[in-house]
Amino acid sequence: DAKTTQPNSMESNEEEPVHLPCNHSTISGTDYIHWYRQLPSQGPEYVIHGLTSNVNNRMASLAIAEDRKSSTLILHRATLRDAAVYYCILRDWGGTSYGKLTFGQGTILTVHP
Amino acid sequence: EPEVTQTPSHQVTQMGQEVILRCVPISNHLYFYWYRQILGQKVEFLVSFYNNEISEKSEIFDDQFSVERPDGSNFTLKIRSTKLEDSAMYFCASIPRDNQETQYFGPGTRLLVL
Repeated sequence: DAKTTQPNSMESNEEEPVHLPCNHSTISGTDYIHWYRQLPSQGPEYVIHGLTSNVNNRMASLAIAEDRKSSTLILHRATLRDAAVYYCILRDWGGTSYGKLTFGQGTILTVHP
Repeated sequence: EPEVTQTPSHQVTQMGQEVILRCVPISNHLYFYWYRQILGQKVEFLVSFYNNEISEKSEIFDDQFSVERPDGSNFTLKIRSTKLEDSAMYFCASIPRDNQETQYFGPGTRLLVL
């Protein structure tokens, strides 16, 4: 799987928007961009994914650069419950990967009251 | 909303003992996975399982590890002879038939090998 680069940590205040960046300059045409998060003492949790177009769901928005070499996860109004490690993962469903996720270190998001 | 469940939540064992970690994936899910996370480290893929056989395994998943789906619902990870370095959180995950882009994780089993 192609590699992603994320900042080690970010901080935000409650009810403010948060933009979590991810660089993936070696992304291939069939790689989907996935975001998962891991709340303290819990298993990873799916957040959002996309291929080329920006995506929105009830949890977040995903903005994908036109050249697909970077993306940004947007939490529109951070809450204390959003404090977690956020992982940006490229996944090529095709080939022999059988959907496994290759986690990096992720970004530790701290949300201040 | 259906969830992946794992038992036990915590297990303490002596080095050299066998352990079986159990998972009940969400009904009608298609692909099943085990991951582990050593304390303070990243989540690592161990094995994927599809159509009642292993589809992919990592270098970590050596012959001390095995997986089974004995009755169509439970999905187990067995470690035959545990080592100190097997101490970690073990997460089970599964993917549904109708949304193969989303992987659902269980809450994990914390294994401590003494």
